[in-house]
Amino acid sequence: DVQMTQSLSYLAASPGESVSISCKASKSISNYLAWYQQKPGEAYNLLIYSGSTLQSGTPSRFSGSGSGTDFTLTIRSLEPEDFGLYYCQQYYEKPLTFGSGTKLEIK
Amino acid sequence: QVQLKESGPGLVQASETLSLTCTVSGFSLISYYVSWVRQPPGKGLEWMGRIRSGGSTDYNSALKSRLSISRDTSKSQVLLKMNSLQTEDTAIYYCTRDTMGIFDYWGQGVMVTVSS
Repeated sequence: DVQMTQSLSYLAASPGESVSISCKASKSISNYLAWYQQKPGEAYNLLIYSGSTLQSGTPSRFSGSGSGTDFTLTIRSLEPEDFGLYYCQQYYEKPLTFGSGTKLEIK
Repeated sequence: QVQLKESGPGLVQASETLSLTCTVSGFSLISYYVSWVRQPPGKGLEWMGRIRSGGSTDYNSALKSRLSISRDTSKSQVLLKMNSLQTEDTAIYYCTRDTMGIFDYWGQGVMVTVSS
């Protein structure tokens, strides 16, 4: 199975700051990488797929980069609604696997 | 709009079989895959398996021996059955619309507790 590692489980930042969340795959997954956001009481929300393609409705302050084994989700100029949990997921091969998540909290 | 809603018992006894239903709207099961994903309390997400638009299934090998996913297209429902439940199966169970491995819509999830 492809192991997805999000090394940072917790990140604190202030509104207006920029943050980056990393995700590393245990083998090359090309760009078959998606990012999801979860906020309390809400359904999971797809933000980015194919490593860098914004899902319809995702604000442009979100961006994704990387290919192969190393990926980054960047959020420019944090808004209060951006705080929550972020997960990466590979869909290069089955079983589809997720990172362990990064919790983004308000500093 | 696209919606998915999970339903099923909140409490199941160990060694018994879990049955969950995912009712979808806003899209057709013959055009999209539907996956099941679960999340134990305080832990990460685990993909369990899916049913493809043509009706074939893929399962996580870790669960394959216990898991069955089927559908009733006339009711727009996807059914999950998992037997021999253990306390480690306590989790929130989500159904998701699966577009070639990308989970573009999720249900709110249903909490299932396995009691010993």
